[in-house]
Amino acid sequence: DIQLTQSPSFLSASVGDRVTITCRASRAIGSYLAWYQQKPGKAPNLLIYAASTLQNGVPSRFSGSGSGTEFTLTISSLQPEDFATYYCQRLNDYLFTFGQGTKLEMK
Amino acid sequence: EVQLVQSGAEVKKPGESLKISCKASGYSFTSYWIGWVRQMPGEGLEWMGSIYPGDSDTRYSPSFQGQVTISADKSINTAYLQWRSLQASNTAIYYCVRPAVGTGFDYWGQGSLVTVSS
Repeated sequence: DIQLTQSPSFLSASVGDRVTITCRASRAIGSYLAWYQQKPGKAPNLLIYAASTLQNGVPSRFSGSGSGTEFTLTISSLQPEDFATYYCQRLNDYLFTFGQGTKLEMK
Repeated sequence: EVQLVQSGAEVKKPGESLKISCKASGYSFTSYWIGWVRQMPGEGLEWMGSIYPGDSDTRYSPSFQGQVTISADKSINTAYLQWRSLQASNTAIYYCVRPAVGTGFDYWGQGSLVTVSS
């Protein structure tokens, strides 16, 4: 089974910072990767799919890149509402494995 | 508007059975997969499995195969997640999702909290 490993697991940053989260797959998955944001007590929200396609309604400060085994989620200028936990997920088959999550906290 | 509305919180004892539900609206229920994601307290997301209501094709994560049953009733646009004998380790929030290979889980239910305690 293909595993996804996110780094870092915890990240402290300030409003206005540029932040990057990495997701590495144990085997190549093409561009079949999604990113989600989850706030406490809420269901996750799809941000990006196909590695770099922004879901409708997601602010343009979020971007995704990568293919094969290495992917990144970048937030260009952190806003107060962006402090949350972020998950990557593979979409190349029906197993839909998630990464372990990255908790983004305010410094 | 697509909506997935889940049944409410449940408190059960070990050994009891449980079936939680997810009612879909706003789209053709038989044309999309619908599935379940587990989130244990303080932990990450785990995909459990999905069903295609159009033909009842069901796929499970190996981690959940044999532990739960996913079903759907297309006459009432509702999917179900069922346990025959609950354990304390089943305590979690369970989310209903609409999954698609290649495009992700674009719609989520509000979550159903299941607490199993003696």
